[in-house]
Amino acid sequence: SQELEQSPQSLIVQEGKNLTINCTSSKTLYGLYWYKQKYGEGLIFLMMLQKGGEEKSHEKITAKLDEKKQQSSLHITASQPSHAGIYLCGADEIQGAQKLVFGQGTRLTINP
Amino acid sequence: GAVVSQHPSRVICKSGTSVKIECRSLDFQATTMFWYRQFPKQSLMLMATSNEGSKATYEQGVEKDKFLINHASLTLSTLTVTSAHPEDSSFYICSARIWQGRFSEQYFGPGTRLTVT
Repeated sequence: SQELEQSPQSLIVQEGKNLTINCTSSKTLYGLYWYKQKYGEGLIFLMMLQKGGEEKSHEKITAKLDEKKQQSSLHITASQPSHAGIYLCGADEIQGAQKLVFGQGTRLTINP
Repeated sequence: GAVVSQHPSRVICKSGTSVKIECRSLDFQATTMFWYRQFPKQSLMLMATSNEGSKATYEQGVEKDKFLINHASLTLSTLTVTSAHPEDSSFYICSARIWQGRFSEQYFGPGTRLTVT
C-alpha cells in the first residue's frame, strides 16, 4: 500500500518567517490533499492537487505537486500564530480510490 | 468548502453501554463516508468506509460487531460503539467525499471525543 512520508515531523519557527513542509510518496499520487488540524478538532481542508506541476494558493499558503506526482510541498509565507497546528497530507492510493492514506503529520509551532 | 457536522462533540459514558455518533453532510450528498479514529499525537486511522445503502467496509483489525456503522441516507452516517470499554476512549472523526468526475474532494467533521469510564 502507499505510504506518505512527511517532513519535518515538527517545526518551530519565528513569527513572520517562511516555512515549507514536504510530503513524499514512493508511488504516484493521484490526488494529494492538504489538511490542517488543531488539537482536539477536526481537519480543515486546505487544498487538493491533482496534476503534475500543479500549484495552488490560498492566502499565505501555497501547495505544489511535482511533475512526477510523487512529492508535494506546502509553503507558508510570513507565518502567523494562526498558522500553528498539525498539517496532514493525504492521498488517493489509486486513481479513483475511495479512501485516503495519510502522512504522520507535521506539528507546526509559531513563536511570537 | 463543504460542511460536515458531527454530534455529539463530546460524550462520556459508562463501561458496557453503547454510544451513537452522528455524521451529517450539511450542504451536499455524500455517497461515501468514512470513519476515522485518532489517538493523541497520532495521525488518523481509518476504521471503515461507508457507502449509502450498503454495508460498511471495515479495515483490518476493526471489529464489525463493536463498531456498527449505518449509512441510511446520502446525508447521514452513524457510528455506534457497542458495549464500550475504556480502551475505546478516543477521538472519532467522520469524513465525506464529493465526486467531481474522476476527481474528488474529502471533507472532515469536527470530531467526537469519547471517554468511557
